[in-house]
Amino acid sequence: KAGVTQTPRYLIKTRGQQVTLSCSPISGHRSVSWYQQTPGQGLQFLFEYFSETQRNKGNFPGRFSGRQFSNSRSEMNVSTLELGDSALYLCASSQGALGGELFFGEGSRLTVL
Amino acid sequence: DQQVKQNSPSLSVQEGRISILNCDYTNSMFDYFLWYKKYPAEGPTFLISISSIKDKNEDGRFTVFLNKSAKHLSLHIVPSQPGDSAVYFCAASSGSNTGKLIFGQGTTLQVKP
Repeated sequence: KAGVTQTPRYLIKTRGQQVTLSCSPISGHRSVSWYQQTPGQGLQFLFEYFSETQRNKGNFPGRFSGRQFSNSRSEMNVSTLELGDSALYLCASSQGALGGELFFGEGSRLTVL
Repeated sequence: DQQVKQNSPSLSVQEGRISILNCDYTNSMFDYFLWYKKYPAEGPTFLISISSIKDKNEDGRFTVFLNKSAKHLSLHIVPSQPGDSAVYFCAASSGSNTGKLIFGQGTTLQVKP
């Protein structure tokens, strides 16, 4: 069974640009969550999508957005990039039913210059 | 406001001995707790979880203890092995059916041969 796949793995952007990150969940998983990991703030929840609907949202500005497609694949977008957006962005999937275990991808490392 | 805290940034133990990693939480609404392990350049990997209706859960060498009155949980690894060297994250959620986890800052465990 293939794991959670995130693309791209690494990318470099400049301030003011926007970026789109992609996540393919484990087959059969309907919930996709996004997390930001930085050295100072640790792992912080961005948002969760379930059956194409945003189910939960963290405390991030509106520049951070996401969506989920009918095949459960998800994308997140960050507009007007700031230096502080440099981080590892992790996607996790789960069945969405009882269990709560999230399966994480390897992440997309974003560097903003 | 850090709702989940891991006060020890690092821990070093000898191979074969017990490793005890600690975690405190402040939000009384949390009723599901998880431990994840993370190696460099990889996403977090689920280790073990516990529901608030239990005070102990075991899985092989890993045992998690929950003390609800103290809002404290701990992960015991017995015996510790060099391959256990990684960053360990404690996480909590309200309900097990959610992709929204609140993570601690992590504890880096080093197991010396």
